[in-house]
Amino acid sequence: AQSVTQPDIHITVSEGASLELRCNYSYGATPYLFWYVQSPGQGLQLLLKYFSGDTLVQGIKGFEAEFKRSQSSFNLRKPSVHWSDAAEYFCAVGAGYSSASKIIFGSGTRLSIRP
Amino acid sequence: DTAVSQTPKYLVTQMGNDKSIKCEQNLGHDTMYWYKQDSKKFLKIMFSYNNKELIINETVPNRFSPKSPDKAHLNLHINSLELGDSAVYFCASSQGPGVQETQYFGPGTRLLVL
Repeated sequence: AQSVTQPDIHITVSEGASLELRCNYSYGATPYLFWYVQSPGQGLQLLLKYFSGDTLVQGIKGFEAEFKRSQSSFNLRKPSVHWSDAAEYFCAVGAGYSSASKIIFGSGTRLSIRP
Repeated sequence: DTAVSQTPKYLVTQMGNDKSIKCEQNLGHDTMYWYKQDSKKFLKIMFSYNNKELIINETVPNRFSPKSPDKAHLNLHINSLELGDSAVYFCASSQGPGVQETQYFGPGTRLLVL
């Protein structure tokens, strides 16, 4: 079964600084990988996803993520954060090809922005 | 033009009561989901329906019963509410089933059982 780990519970970065959120997954083959963002009091919004092909994936809001098979990682990056990026970020992994396959979410990383 | 909407947004109730949460999507999607997010923000799937048929049913107490009257609606009824049911419940939808489909989430229903 697949699993996903987000090692950082809470990260604080200064506005304008670069950001990297870590995500490690466990699965025997190449899984489907996702990053979602949850703003306070809101539902989740998809930032980007990786299925195959180019291992550097561009998403919305200036985010990107890189799939590294050798490290079983799918870290999320942004070159310069804005105060509006403060939110909870979830990495997720999906595996399998049946209609009953499901996405497993990590425990989330809360991002705070220092003015 | 809310894509996935849930009602109510907040629900405060006593232990032992029965309550329902409604979800509607206007995206024309075939597949809908219920997720539970606990106090530690851990998000876990509960159920999934495709074209009104149940396709995912996780290990959820049978006090929880989903109902899909049509493709655009997926409701969640909870009997005999317990303190541990306090959580945020998210509805989501996707074009079709399978992990390759992007899921669109509703704003959540915050349930507090006293």
